[in-house]
Parts: sequence; C-alpha cells; structure tokens
Amino acid sequence: QVQLQESGPGLVKPSGTLSLTCAVSGGSISSTNWWSWVRQPPGRGLEWIGQIYHSGSTNYSPSLKSRVTISVDKSKNQFSLKLTSVTAADTAVYYCARGPFLGALYAFDIWGQGTMITVSS
Amino acid sequence: QSALTQPASVSGSPGQSITISCTGTSDDVGGYNYVSWYQQHPGKAPKLMIYDVAYRPSGVSNRFSGSKSGNTASLTISGLQAEDEADYYCCSYTSSLAVFGGGTKLTVL
Repeated sequence: QVQLQESGPGLVKPSGTLSLTCAVSGGSISSTNWWSWVRQPPGRGLEWIGQIYHSGSTNYSPSLKSRVTISVDKSKNQFSLKLTSVTAADTAVYYCARGPFLGALYAFDIWGQGTMITVSS
Repeated sequence: QSALTQPASVSGSPGQSITISCTGTSDDVGGYNYVSWYQQHPGKAPKLMIYDVAYRPSGVSNRFSGSKSGNTASLTISGLQAEDEADYYCCSYTSSLAVFGGGTKLTVL
C-alpha cells in the first residue's frame, strides 16, 4: 500500500525559501501517476500548488508559478517542493498527494499526513 | 483559474439527505468529467470520496454519490450520520491544472 510522508523545517523566515520533500513508500514514483503538492492555510480551504511526473514534466498553479519548483528524485523515490520569497501568506499545512492523473482516472487518491509550515522571523 | 464555488455550509439531521454543489465554468467542471470530492475531518488529511464525477473508490460508503449538470457538480450524502460531519471540497481539471472549491462545512444536527 502506497504511503506518502512529508518532511522539512516547520519554520521559515520571511523572504526565505520553503523546502519540503515527500517520500513515497510501498510503490514506485515511476508508476503511471502524477504527484502533487497541495496546501491549506489555517482555517481555510485547499489550494493546489503543482504536479510532477517521474519524467520531470511539471505543471504549476498560475498564482504561484513564479516562485515554485517541483522536482523528482527517482533514485530516492521522492519528490520535492521549493517555494521562494515566502511571506506570512505562505503559512499553511502542506500536503503531498498522489494524483491528479492516475492512469486514466483523475483524483488525488493518497495523501500524506501534512506538515505545518510557519513563515515568521 | 478561479476557485470553484461551493456553499460555505450545509446542514441536515441524521437520516436525511443533503446535496453540496460545486459551480465552475465550461473551462473546468463543465468541460470535463474530471471532478472529484474530498472529505476532511479537523486536523486530518483529505480523503477521496468521489472521482471522475460519479465513481466511488473502494471502501467509500454507497451513501455518497456524485453527479454533474452543465457547469455544476454535486455531491449527495444520503442517510446522514454523525460521522459525516466534516468539510467537503470539490476539485476539477482545467487546462492541465487542478482547481479546488472553497469548501463546504457539513453540520449534522
């Protein structure tokens, strides 16, 4: 059974770079699935950040595109998120998820537990 | 790419049925059969309840059903139970991207 686990520092300074990694266990990141990052500010809704395929192809949310990079490391079976020039508005729980393209299906079917990232000096 | 529109809250009594709407445009909800629904309890990760408009993943109760008409998708929960009280989010494909709804808080009275 595939499981996802986010890791990274819980506190990032304003104007700094947020870096997170999602480890995939129980399955290969090189399957016919895409992999995504989704975030949720405290008390607010879900926001899709972007997605990556094991080939390295990516798509990003237009609102974050200028600051986001998602990468994949097939040797470690993991994918990563970098968000630059962070502000307090980037404070959120960050989730990694499998999807949204799952072969012929479209959904996020497996989620990590989420990691809280606070932007503060 | 604007967020899909959901009602902020809905409520129902145990045993009743409720429907949560998710309104988009012809560029997202109306243009593709790629709408999914997620249930989120406080402090927990979202859980997939419906995919591709109307399909239930294995293990999800058949009390949950999805449909779509034009630019609006809907999630119906029948036979409401206390455990259904949660936040619900819709999500749609749009131009190689994904967009979520603002979320709906379901209260079971």
